[in-house]
Amino acid sequence: EAQVTQNPRYLITVTGKKLTVTCSQNMNHEYMSWYRQDPGLGLRQIYYSMNVEVTDKGDVPEGYKVSRKEKRNFPLILESPSPNQTSLYFCASNYRGGTEAFFGQGTRLTVV
Amino acid sequence: EDQVTQSPEALRLQEGESSSLNCSYTVSGLRGLFWYRQDPGKGPEFLFTLYSAGEEKEKERLKATLTKKESFLHITAPKPEDSATYLCAAGTSGTYKYIFGTGTRLKVLA
Repeated sequence: EAQVTQNPRYLITVTGKKLTVTCSQNMNHEYMSWYRQDPGLGLRQIYYSMNVEVTDKGDVPEGYKVSRKEKRNFPLILESPSPNQTSLYFCASNYRGGTEAFFGQGTRLTVV
Repeated sequence: EDQVTQSPEALRLQEGESSSLNCSYTVSGLRGLFWYRQDPGKGPEFLFTLYSAGEEKEKERLKATLTKKESFLHITAPKPEDSATYLCAAGTSGTYKYIFGTGTRLKVLA
């Protein structure tokens, strides 16, 4: 089954404790991205990757890091999380830039 | 600045009562206008892609249209199972970013 898998689904952490949210897709898609979804603000793109070793900033990249060492994986790293990063995060993959996105199930992150 | 605006924020319809959702966009170069459906606690699910003004796509009770400034999602004779949040997004040429609107929460009453 074609899918985008994120882990974990739920995470509560403390301020400053580094964390990684994993994302994997099995569709051989070139383009992957991370979004955060907040009430009243909608989905905002954090980072995206056009292909392996090619990443670029979205609209809200501050406080986040990404890497794309393999085509299928695109982890999101928060090196020093802060409470304003409490949000619902989605990973998505697209066949290539300019095509429709397939989303993961979401990761609800709470930073206390 | 690239921007996507959706209206209304929320919409309540009686079953069978047709209506339209609006998505206005201002982007430096449009590389696709996308519609998604999102159910509570789930990731958005792809519905349609429109690439050129005048293009239309249909799926069951839903029909999406595109002009040079906006897109509409027409819902004909909706059913309660059509209740969801509908999101639109613009793909931007040059940067390959995607800009989402804040969505329209649709509630269809039986």
